[in-house]
Amino acid sequence: GAGVSQSPSNKVTEKGKDVELRCDPISGHTALYWYRQSLGQGLEFLIYFQGNSAPDKSGLPSDRFSAERTGGSVSTLTIQRTQQEDSAVYLCASSLSYYGYTFGSGTRLTVV
Amino acid sequence: AQSVTQLGSHVSVSEGALVLLRCNYSSSVPPYLFWYVQYPNQGLQLLLKYTSAATLVKGINGFEAEFKKSETSFPLTKPSAHMSDAAEYFCAVTDSGNTPLVFGKGTRLSVIA
Repeated sequence: GAGVSQSPSNKVTEKGKDVELRCDPISGHTALYWYRQSLGQGLEFLIYFQGNSAPDKSGLPSDRFSAERTGGSVSTLTIQRTQQEDSAVYLCASSLSYYGYTFGSGTRLTVV
Repeated sequence: AQSVTQLGSHVSVSEGALVLLRCNYSSSVPPYLFWYVQYPNQGLQLLLKYTSAATLVKGINGFEAEFKKSETSFPLTKPSAHMSDAAEYFCAVTDSGNTPLVFGKGTRLSVIA
């Protein structure tokens, strides 16, 4: 597609529920990144995919967080047993190289 | 490991005044440096990037940044602020194409009429 698409744009969930966040990268972009943006905290790196493999998942905050990418395209970030501290904007980006990422508009997750 | 420090979480300037947003980085190898802008409820948009070519980099919307190796800084400037420049600005660094970008905490720019 023309840009990076993320869905849903907003998600409100109850504490303890599982959520899935989706990212559709730009067609042909081999690298895909997930970041988390909390108020006043900047962007926190979560995980990076090159193709379907994840060479760097060092940023995942706990084992409740997981992500996968299929067909070198769509990626899903899953948060199990959500907690209130998981509330944030989750941003996805894709790129062909380090010459700059293209970001999606993000998913705003609110855990109540 | 790389790191980025943005000095000033909030900067306020008058319309028409100089914009100066500060960014200091730490990297053990020659870095690649980026500035991104984020408008409310939107994703991040690339303003400009430094990738070891010219030290003065020009970006979109009249912004530019200068790679200052001796100071390990990469300040973002614009000669004359517009109301439309009000947004959050992020500085980022990486040391290679295989390392994810490390972002600063951002600087919110307000432009006063």
